[in-house]
Amino acid sequence: EADIYQTPRYLVIGTGKKITLECSQTMGHDKMYWYQQDPGMELHLIHYSYGVNSTEKGDLSSESTVSRIRTEHFPLTLESARPSHTSQYLCASSEKGSGKLFFGSGTQLSVL
Amino acid sequence: DAKTTQPPSMDCAEGRAANLPCNHSTISGNEYVYWYRQIHSQGPQYIIHGLKNNETNEMASLIITEDRKSSTLILPHATLRDTAVYYCIVRAGGSYIPTFGRGTSLIVHP
Repeated sequence: EADIYQTPRYLVIGTGKKITLECSQTMGHDKMYWYQQDPGMELHLIHYSYGVNSTEKGDLSSESTVSRIRTEHFPLTLESARPSHTSQYLCASSEKGSGKLFFGSGTQLSVL
Repeated sequence: DAKTTQPPSMDCAEGRAANLPCNHSTISGNEYVYWYRQIHSQGPQYIIHGLKNNETNEMASLIITEDRKSSTLILPHATLRDTAVYYCIVRAGGSYIPTFGRGTSLIVHP
């Protein structure tokens, strides 16, 4: 069973606030990913990491930033939230060389 | 990575087999076929993967054609809880970055 956790599960916040979405995994996976998904739409990769101190932007341009200081932790930060950031954010991880992804339960973000 | 094509939606009666097709006509020899599913508002869940041989696990069976240009995910006895979006992904190793398309929305009805 996968051990990857996202908090909070739901977040409602006002425009202009700084927010951090947390993602942690206890499997020792090198690779971690952030996807963004609107209702009924496909998942869009916004950030990924191959390991500690490695971060890359994904296919979908995003105003968010990420950091990877520890293997198990891959937080996503929005410096100034806007209504256009309203979406579901999904974190995932995988072992090096494996295509098997483990996903967290997601954070549903609503910016008013 | 090879692109995949899936029907946007399918339906199936509870208790019957659900056969979900996927086309990946540009697949390379070292690319695997992966299947995931996403139940409403949850993160996708891995189901099964294969290279060229058919595979079976406790969740499903994966049938890959001999030329590897298409595959079928089989849920042998679909239940209402199998209602979800199913994604077929083709990937190689190394620096593979997983890309999810629209998938197939499967509705299992009583």
